[in-house]
Amino acid sequence: GAGVSQSPSNKVTEKGKDVELRCDPISGHTALYWYRQSLGQGLEFLIYFQGNSAPDKSGLPSDRFSAERTGGSVSTLTIQRTQQEDSAVYLCASSTRQGSTETQYFGPGTRLLVL
Amino acid sequence: AQTVTQSQPEMSVQEAETVTLSCTYDTSESDYYLFWYKQPPSRQMILVIRQEAYKQQNATENRFSVNFQKAAKSFSLKISDSQLGDAAMYFCAYRSVTGANSKLTFGKGITLSVRP
Repeated sequence: GAGVSQSPSNKVTEKGKDVELRCDPISGHTALYWYRQSLGQGLEFLIYFQGNSAPDKSGLPSDRFSAERTGGSVSTLTIQRTQQEDSAVYLCASSTRQGSTETQYFGPGTRLLVL
Repeated sequence: AQTVTQSQPEMSVQEAETVTLSCTYDTSESDYYLFWYKQPPSRQMILVIRQEAYKQQNATENRFSVNFQKAAKSFSLKISDSQLGDAAMYFCAYRSVTGANSKLTFGKGITLSVRP
């Protein structure tokens, strides 16, 4: 079956504009994660969705960042009033919660450049 | 909070030779999982190998093996018979087994180049 897909692949925006990044997880995966990969940095966790439970937003860097997951499938990460420091690759991952054997499968990411 | 450290930003290896990538981590937990992920220029993160902390035996996957030293909190990746396709960024990652969030905590990665 298809893997995790993300769109757009690349996004260039102007400072102050809002952007939406989309993630389509693997069908049947109940868990979905967003990570951010900044230049010279590792990946940092942003937000986690599991089924119908309230998301874990503990990794969101500011209130300009928000995410939703509709129908337990597609997720959208929204960044409002973008800043240059938001420039990064945003990666989405999904998994089945099989307890200790859980493996996260990643999408190709969206590269965001804020001018 | 857990931290993962990859102190070598870059490494290079001759094709067909063996290379070891280092990773250390800090945690107060006794049970957890450790991973190595590969990220080629396509940006797709690919799981290379996984180690359960409660297992003493080091994990192996074909040409890839780990040296897991729990007391030293060290988790190195050995790539044998290096191939040109192994050139990529490699990330070491930690996952707790407790709590509802199975997020991964990553190191900053190491860029591996393979010389023909």
